[in-house]
Amino acid sequence: GAVVSQHPSWVICKSGTSVKIECRSLDFQATTMFWYRQFPKQSLMLMATSNEGSKATYEQGVEKDKFLINHASLTLSTLTVTSAHPEDSSFYICSAGDRTSGPYYNEQFFGPGTRLTVL
Amino acid sequence: AQSVTQPDIHITVSEGASLELRCNYSYGATPYLFWYVQSPGQGLQLLLKYFSGDTLVQGIKGFEAEFKRSQSSFNLRKPSVHWSDAAEYFCAVGPSGNTGKLIFGQGTTLQVKP
Repeated sequence: GAVVSQHPSWVICKSGTSVKIECRSLDFQATTMFWYRQFPKQSLMLMATSNEGSKATYEQGVEKDKFLINHASLTLSTLTVTSAHPEDSSFYICSAGDRTSGPYYNEQFFGPGTRLTVL
Repeated sequence: AQSVTQPDIHITVSEGASLELRCNYSYGATPYLFWYVQSPGQGLQLLLKYFSGDTLVQGIKGFEAEFKRSQSSFNLRKPSVHWSDAAEYFCAVGPSGNTGKLIFGQGTTLQVKP
């Protein structure tokens, strides 16, 4: 149980275009989803937290107009990188949790990540 | 402030040798502690977690960790390392705030010599 998928696993796009990354919880209801960015040889950097049906909460320094997050259902959250530039190239990882009750209350389950390369 | 420190950025051990990866945390309440492993280009896989109870926790792939409240530590151990254990290891503590955020350490890169 507690499987999280991400799509696509990798994407290459041209500078100035927008890219959407999907994060799905396959076998549980994810009331909360987290989006991370990871640079090579570094730890995960939390970008934003989203609760189903609410606006995402962005960490300090993360441009909310550039990284649009939507969490419209209990199984799907999307991250859209708008007007992507080469400096947005990175590894993006999502995680999901159930903050209502039950065995997943204090855990996060991670997706396999998406490698974004902006040319 | 809540934080996690992994003092060793890079560790090299010989295959078959024992391993200990250090993790120290600063957390105001009773912490929930996690160890994750990440292979190159992959997401995070949970090795083990501590919520309460027995302070020695067994995980997958032969790993274990011991919670020591007095030392604010949650060190990861394995008695005999295999070449396939080479990866990045992250210690995390949570939940932080109402959203359940996790606070991650900087990570430790494990290299295994044949």
